[in-house]
Amino acid sequence: EVQLVESGGGLVQPGRSLKLSCAASGFTFSNYYMAWVRQAPKKGLEWVATISTSGSRTYYPDSVKGRFTISRDNAKSSLYLQMNSLKSEDTATYYCARHIDVMDAWGQGASVTVSS
Amino acid sequence: DIVMTQSPSSLAVSAGETVTINCKSSQSLFGSVRQKNYLAWYQQKPGQSPKLLIYLASTRESGVPDRFIGSGSGTDFTLTISSVQAEDLANYYCQQYYDTPLTFGSGTKLEIK
Repeated sequence: EVQLVESGGGLVQPGRSLKLSCAASGFTFSNYYMAWVRQAPKKGLEWVATISTSGSRTYYPDSVKGRFTISRDNAKSSLYLQMNSLKSEDTATYYCARHIDVMDAWGQGASVTVSS
Repeated sequence: DIVMTQSPSSLAVSAGETVTINCKSSQSLFGSVRQKNYLAWYQQKPGQSPKLLIYLASTRESGVPDRFIGSGSGTDFTLTISSVQAEDLANYYCQQYYDTPLTFGSGTKLEIK
C-alpha cells in the first residue's frame, strides 16, 4: 500500500523558514517524480513544486520560485520542501504527492501557519 | 498560465440523481503527440486529502466506481456522476497537466439533500 506521511508543519513568523518532510513507503520511491501541493484554509488546490526521480530537475510556479526548494533523498525514501521568506499567504495544508503526470497518491497533509 | 474554470461552484442533489460538473480551460489541453487530453479530476471528501478519480479526461483510476464518468476534449470537459450516493459528498477539482504551472479549477462542492 502506498503511504505518504508529511511532517514538520507548524506556526512560523513571517519572513522565517520551515522545512517539511514526507516519508514514502509501499512503492519504489526512486522511480517516481514527486510533488508538493498546498491548500489554503477553505480554498482550492495549488501546485507548489515537482522534482524528478534523481532530483536533478525541479519545477515551481512563480508564486514560490526563489523562496521554496524541493529536494529528495532516495536512500531514505523521503521528500522535502524547504520554505524560506514565508508570507501570510503561504498559510496552508501542504500535501506530498506522487506525481506521474497526475498526482495519483497523496499524504494526509501538514499544516503550516504563517503569522506573527 | 492555463486558467481552469469550473462550474457550478456548488450544487445539491438527492441520492440517485445524476450530476454534471463542468471544467473549461483557457487553452486546449489536447496533446498532438499522444493524441490525449491532459485533464484530471480529483475528489476531496471532508477532512481528507484529494483522491485521483479520472485522468486523460476519461480514464478512471483503478478502484473508482463506474458511476464516475469523464468526458470532453480540447477546452471543455465534464465529470458526470450517475446515481449519486451519500458517500459522494465532496469537493471536486479539475486539473490540467498539459503545461506548467499545473493548475486546478476552483472546485465544485457537491452536497446531498
